[in-house]
Amino acid sequence: ELKVEQNPLFLSMQEGKNYTIYCNYSTTSDRLYWYRQDPGKSLESLFVLLSNGAVKQEGRLMASLDTKARLSTLHITAAVHDLSATYFCAVVASGTYKYIFGTGTRLKVLA
Amino acid sequence: DAGITQSPRHKVTETGTPVTLRCHQTENHRYMYWYRQDPGHGLRLIHYSYGVKDTDKGEVSDGYSVSRSKTEDFLLTLESATSSQTSVYFCAISGQGTKNTEAFFGQGTRLTVV
Repeated sequence: ELKVEQNPLFLSMQEGKNYTIYCNYSTTSDRLYWYRQDPGKSLESLFVLLSNGAVKQEGRLMASLDTKARLSTLHITAAVHDLSATYFCAVVASGTYKYIFGTGTRLKVLA
Repeated sequence: DAGITQSPRHKVTETGTPVTLRCHQTENHRYMYWYRQDPGHGLRLIHYSYGVKDTDKGEVSDGYSVSRSKTEDFLLTLESATSSQTSVYFCAISGQGTKNTEAFFGQGTRLTVV
């Protein structure tokens, strides 16, 4: 059964700093997704990673995928307050269409 | 925004009563999902559907049933609601078998069982 773990669960950081969120998963997958959720809102898609070595960037966020290590990272560069949210990774195990989510990382960027 | 509508958006119900949540899509997507979101657990898959009348269990399916009689509608039923089913429920859809499509989410239904 596919398990997805994220760490850290909570992250409080100063504006301007860099940090990385990690997403590990337990079985073979070639599809990984990152989502953002603001309090009381739905989930918004950020990145779709479909192959080993895939790297996607949007603004201050960059996501990468290492399928051999079963690891994805979401790197935050020079954080700003507007990035405060909860970030989820989701993995689809090979041969299925089930999106299994990590527990989420709640990010708070302090001014 | 993906055309996904959840109803109701909020509901308070009593323990032991049946409850049905509805997810309606206008995207003609093949796959539909029900998740619940609870603090400390992220999103957990309850059931999903891969076509009309085709459904399968997810991670936390006990106490829930689903039905999909047409492409656009996916219903989640709590046969006899319990307090442990108090949660926020999200419906999601994903594309027609294309691998590069992410799941798109509805706005959520906040269910309180008292």
